[in-house]
Amino acid sequence: DTAVSQTPKYLVTQMGNDKSIKCEQNLGHDTMYWYKQDSKKFLKIMFSYNNKELIINETVPNRFSPKSPDKAHLNLHINSLELGDSAVYFCASSQGSQDTEAFFGQGTRLTVV
Amino acid sequence: TQLLEQSPQFLSIQEGENLTVYCNSSSVFSSLQWYRQEPGEGPVLLVTVVTGGEVKKLKRLTFQFGDARKDSSLHITAAQPGDTGLYLCAGGQGKIIFGKGTRLHILP
Repeated sequence: DTAVSQTPKYLVTQMGNDKSIKCEQNLGHDTMYWYKQDSKKFLKIMFSYNNKELIINETVPNRFSPKSPDKAHLNLHINSLELGDSAVYFCASSQGSQDTEAFFGQGTRLTVV
Repeated sequence: TQLLEQSPQFLSIQEGENLTVYCNSSSVFSSLQWYRQEPGEGPVLLVTVVTGGEVKKLKRLTFQFGDARKDSSLHITAAQPGDTGLYLCAGGQGKIIFGKGTRLHILP
């Protein structure tokens, strides 16, 4: 029983394409996140949602648009993909927005060619 | 802006040796977490430290929170190849921020 699951695990696509990554958590948590991990393994927060509402939006290009249809799901849509978007994207969840104990998905390795 | 600095960035040691990695900040944190990440996987939470001066043990891993709640350390006794991985400290309220991690490699 996977707690935080994201799909796909690997995504290879051409520059200029639009792609989506899906995330679901079955932990009953209120807060979900998207993180980007670069080639140097630095994990940087992109977005945070609490009960379907956006609460954190870091300096991310507006080509990235998160969507939370319900509190168990947080999807990430990326328009007009660029080479620099290549990274591993992690979805995570925590009990509440002030809670710093997070549970992570396995990551989606995005490669833009 | 809250920042977490981890040191060393890389550490490669022989099986059986002891090691300590550090997580430092100029900010006070209400709690700090340590995570371990293995290749191809997401970070997995190891421990949370909350009280200044707190020490927590997880088998051969000992975690300490600084008295002023600005820093933390992770000590591994008799390291084993299975301890190999990326160790990340994290903290913050409303927004979980991560240090850049310590990449640990234990040589058999």
